[in-house]
Amino acid sequence: GAVVSQHPSRVICKSGTSVKIECRSLDFQATTMFWYRQFPKKSLMLMATSNEGSKATYEQGVEKDKFLINHASLTLSTLTVTSAHPEDSSFYICSGRREDIGELFFGEGSRLTVL
Amino acid sequence: QKEVEQNSGPLSVPEGAIASLNCTYSDRVSQSFFWYRQYSGKSPELIMSIYSNGDKEDGRFTAQLNKASQYVSLLIRDSQPSDSATYLCAVNMLRSNYKLTFGKGTLLTVNP
Repeated sequence: GAVVSQHPSRVICKSGTSVKIECRSLDFQATTMFWYRQFPKKSLMLMATSNEGSKATYEQGVEKDKFLINHASLTLSTLTVTSAHPEDSSFYICSGRREDIGELFFGEGSRLTVL
Repeated sequence: QKEVEQNSGPLSVPEGAIASLNCTYSDRVSQSFFWYRQYSGKSPELIMSIYSNGDKEDGRFTAQLNKASQYVSLLIRDSQPSDSATYLCAVNMLRSNYKLTFGKGTLLTVNP
């Protein structure tokens, strides 16, 4: 397997503020990381693909100016939810792909609640 | 047609029984297939991966792949209450640039 760590696991913020979530691959280098969002009782929805050293690729309907992604190193990608609103409240999950075996490993997830 | 389809369930089986989870996919050229287990409030955990037709066994879990029928399944033998979770089928579709496409998941409940 492989270990992907996500922080914070839970965050509560006021409407209008920004929140940063970190995703780290602890025992492998992840050229590519993925950010997902999951609403209660729904499946994972891919938000964007984060590529080390280049701009993220966003899925259709995901606002790139609202969900800022930075992948500055082979072990760290960050997602910043800017000007958060209550409808942004969700479970955000990152994953890193181990290129040698082509498998995806998930972080623990970050539950965001916007008041 | 949805890209990855699963019966949402819930699927309920008694402890010790075999649980059978099914998944179909639309992209015929897909090459990699995965089963993830997700407990409520937690992130997905990789259970099995399968890349070629046939069966792949790992402990109590067996993944079965039939590319001609575009069908992948997961069998859980000797089901335990701790197996109760949502099982997500994920397919790596070539045309989606190797991104995983997930099904909506099947909720499995194993009754003691």
